[in-house]
Amino acid sequence: ETGVTQSPTHLIKTRGQQVTLRCSSQSGHNTVSWYQQALGQGPQFIFQYYREEENGRGNFPPRFSGLQFPNYSSELNVNALELDDSALYLCASSPGGTTGNEQFFGPGTRLTVL
Amino acid sequence: QKEVEQNSGPLSVPEGAIASLNCTYSDRGSQSFFWYRQYSGKSPELIMSIYSNGDKEDGRFTAQLNKASQYVSLLIRDSQPSDSATYLCAVNQAGTALIFGKGTTLSVSS
Repeated sequence: ETGVTQSPTHLIKTRGQQVTLRCSSQSGHNTVSWYQQALGQGPQFIFQYYREEENGRGNFPPRFSGLQFPNYSSELNVNALELDDSALYLCASSPGGTTGNEQFFGPGTRLTVL
Repeated sequence: QKEVEQNSGPLSVPEGAIASLNCTYSDRGSQSFFWYRQYSGKSPELIMSIYSNGDKEDGRFTAQLNKASQYVSLLIRDSQPSDSATYLCAVNQAGTALIFGKGTTLSVSS
């Protein structure tokens, strides 16, 4: 069974640029959630995708957007990067369909905005 | 504002001791509760989930849930240096977002 994978591992961007992060869910999981983790903080929920539809969104501006594909992989896009967007971006997959499913995290993408 | 509170630590225990990690949450509608372990520079790893009041044991780990007091705890028996990490408490209300605390740093000395 393949776990959650994310790419790239690290990324350096300049303020104002755009970035796309990618995630492949664990085999058998149809739900993907994205989180942002700043240094010394717990992960903060960005949004969740279930069967290619957004299924909940946290307190993030519209410049954070996402997609889920028919194979349940997902992308997180961030436009007009700001310095405060520097963080570890985590993707988590879960079986979906019922409340309270366990979420399993990928290794994360470390984004640095200069 | 839904909140999850944890003491940031560090919590220091000697090898072989019991480590006790605590978490409180504000939303009474919360249904699912999780403990994640996060090593420095790595992503969170799920170690325990608990859904009903009482204790749940898995190896050296015991999760305890008291919904009336809005309190979740994690006990680690026979603590090992390899248990040194940040432990994140997470709460899920509606099957979507996990709300995380800031984490408690545990240090186990040999």
